[in-house]
Amino acid sequence: DAMVIQNPRYQVTQFGKPVTLSCSQTLNHNVMYWYQQKSSQAPKLLFHYYDKDFNNEADTPDNFQSRRPNTSFCFLDIRSPGLGDAAMYLCATSRDARGRGLQGTQYFGPGTRLTVL
Amino acid sequence: AQTVTQSQPEMSVQEAETVTLSCTYDTSESDYYLFWYKQPPSRQMILVIRQEAYKQQNATENRFSVNFQKAAKSFSLKISDSQLGDAAMYFCAYCRVPDMRFGAGTRLTVKP
Repeated sequence: DAMVIQNPRYQVTQFGKPVTLSCSQTLNHNVMYWYQQKSSQAPKLLFHYYDKDFNNEADTPDNFQSRRPNTSFCFLDIRSPGLGDAAMYLCATSRDARGRGLQGTQYFGPGTRLTVL
Repeated sequence: AQTVTQSQPEMSVQEAETVTLSCTYDTSESDYYLFWYKQPPSRQMILVIRQEAYKQQNATENRFSVNFQKAAKSFSLKISDSQLGDAAMYFCAYCRVPDMRFGAGTRLTVKP
C-alpha cells in the first residue's frame, strides 16, 4: 500500500546532541511537510518542500534544518536539541497538481516521538 | 494570515447518538480546501473528510458529514451513530495549497 513512513518511531537524544529524523513516501507526491506537535496542541508547520524548493516558516528556529535528496525521502535535522524540542514530529505529503482531485489533501506518517534528556 | 478556530476544547457523546463539532476560519481567499482530521491516541493523523471551497454541496463520508457555510466561514463536522472508535482528537484544517493551518482541536469522548 502507498504510504508515508517515518523512522524511527521513538527517538531519544541528549541535550545538544544532533539528531536526524527520517520520512519516506511511496505516494510519489511532490510536496513534503514537517510538523512539530507538542502534547495537546495542534501540529505546527516547520517547513515544507515543494518539489526541490525549500520553504521555511518564519518562526521556525534555525536549529531545525531539512534535506530532501529525492522525491521519496525527506529528513529533519535538529542541530542542537533543547528540552523544549521534545515533541512528536509529523511528516506529511501532498500532491499539488493542476486541476482538482486530491489536491491539498495531506497524508501523514505515524510520527516520531522525540525525547530530549 | 489565515486562522482556524475550534471553540469546543472537549465534547462528549453517547454511543449511537449524533454530535457536531464546530469550526470557523478566517480568510480573504475564495479558492481553498477544508479538512477534518482525526488523531486517536496512537497520534496518527487520519483524514476524515474534505471539502473544496468552490463546491456548494456539503461533503459526506459514511457517518461523517459537514455543514459548509462559505459566507459565514463555518465548517462543522457531524458524526452520526457515534461509535467507541470515534473517540479521538479532531482537528479542523484550512488549506490553500501548499499551506495548511490547523485549529486547536476538539477532544471527543464517546460514552458506552
